[in-house]
This record gives sequence, structure tokens and C-alpha cells, in this order.
Amino acid sequence: SQELEQSPQSLIVQEGKNLTINCTSSKTLYGLYWYKQKYGEGLIFLMMLQKGGEEKSHEKITAKLDEKKQQSSLHITASQPSHAGIYLCGAGSGAGSYQLTFGKGTKLSVIP
Amino acid sequence: EAGVTQSPTHLIKTRGQQATLRCSPISGHTSVYWYQQALGLGLQFLLWYDEGEERNRGNFPPRFSGRQFPNYSSELNVNALELEDSALYLCASSSPAGLNSPLHFGNGTRLTVT
Repeated sequence: SQELEQSPQSLIVQEGKNLTINCTSSKTLYGLYWYKQKYGEGLIFLMMLQKGGEEKSHEKITAKLDEKKQQSSLHITASQPSHAGIYLCGAGSGAGSYQLTFGKGTKLSVIP
Repeated sequence: EAGVTQSPTHLIKTRGQQATLRCSPISGHTSVYWYQQALGLGLQFLLWYDEGEERNRGNFPPRFSGRQFPNYSSELNVNALELEDSALYLCASSSPAGLNSPLHFGNGTRLTVT
């Protein structure tokens, strides 16, 4: 079965600093999804990446999928307190499979 | 457009009892997924329903079951509750657009078993 490893597990940054979260898969990724979760709440969809080398941005968040489609990174520029939360990567477990497998998440704290 | 709605928000049960959790998908979405998020274990896939049928289930015992109704809403039932069933249960829905359609999540039901 597919496993997703996220690093780091937690991150504390000063407001205004840049940061990167990584997601590494044990198998080729068939669609990679990034979500954000505030403690005890549902997941908010951020971005979906499908093609090797693909890069997407939304506001100050950029996500990339490497050429081999086994690793993705999420980069936040000039972090703000509103970026705080748990970031999770999720991936389809193979062609024809619709449910997602998730990493354990990266907890981000942003200090004002 | 209304998002995925789950009820109740919180549920407290005693060990051995049964719990029923409900989910209404986004209008137009035909697939519903259930996930369990227990402390320290991350999101674990439970069940996937599409067009009223169970399409796949995760590695959970049979006392976790559910169904999807003709209006695509769904119910998750947990029988013979155990203490370790305490978790946040998240429901998600997706459109019938095909593979790689993103999942949209509700805010979850917090189940506490005492």
C-alpha cells in the first residue's frame, strides 16, 4: 500500500519568514493533493498536482510535484499567523482508485 | 454553494453502545468518503460510497458500517463502541468528474467513547 511521509512533523516560524513542507511517496503519485486543517476541524482543499514537474500557486502558497512524481513540496512565502494549522498531503493509491491516502501532517505555528 | 455538512458536531457514548453519524455531500456530488482521525494516527480511510453502493473499505472491523441514500447523503454506524473509537470522523464528497477529482471535507463529528 502507498505511504506518504511528511517532513518536518512540526514547524515554528517567525511571521514574515518563508518555509517549505515536503511530502514523499513510496510509490508513483497518481494525483497529489494539499490540504490545510485547523485543529479539530475539517480539511480545506488547497491544490491538486497531477503532472510531473507541475507547479501551482495560490496567494502566497506554491506547491510543486517533482518530475518522477514521488515527491511534492509546499512553500509558503512571507508567512502570516493565518497560515498556522496542520498541512496534509494526500494521494490517490493508484489508477482507478478514488479514495486518498494521507500523510500524518505538518503542524505549522507562526509567531507574530 | 453549501459545503459538506455533518451531524452531530459532538457525540458522547458509552462503551458497547452504537453511534450513528450523518453526512450530506455537496450538491451534485455522488461519492461520499468516511475517514477516522484519531489522536496520533492521522487520517485513516474507512469507507467509500458511490451511487448508493459501497465501493471500498479500509482496514476496519465489520462493526464499522454505513450506507448511502438515494439523495447521496450517507450514514456511518459504529456498533459495540470501544474506547479507541474516540476520534474525529470526517466525511468528504467528490464530483462524478472521474479520477483525481478533489475531495471536499466537512467539519467532522467528534465521537467520545467513555
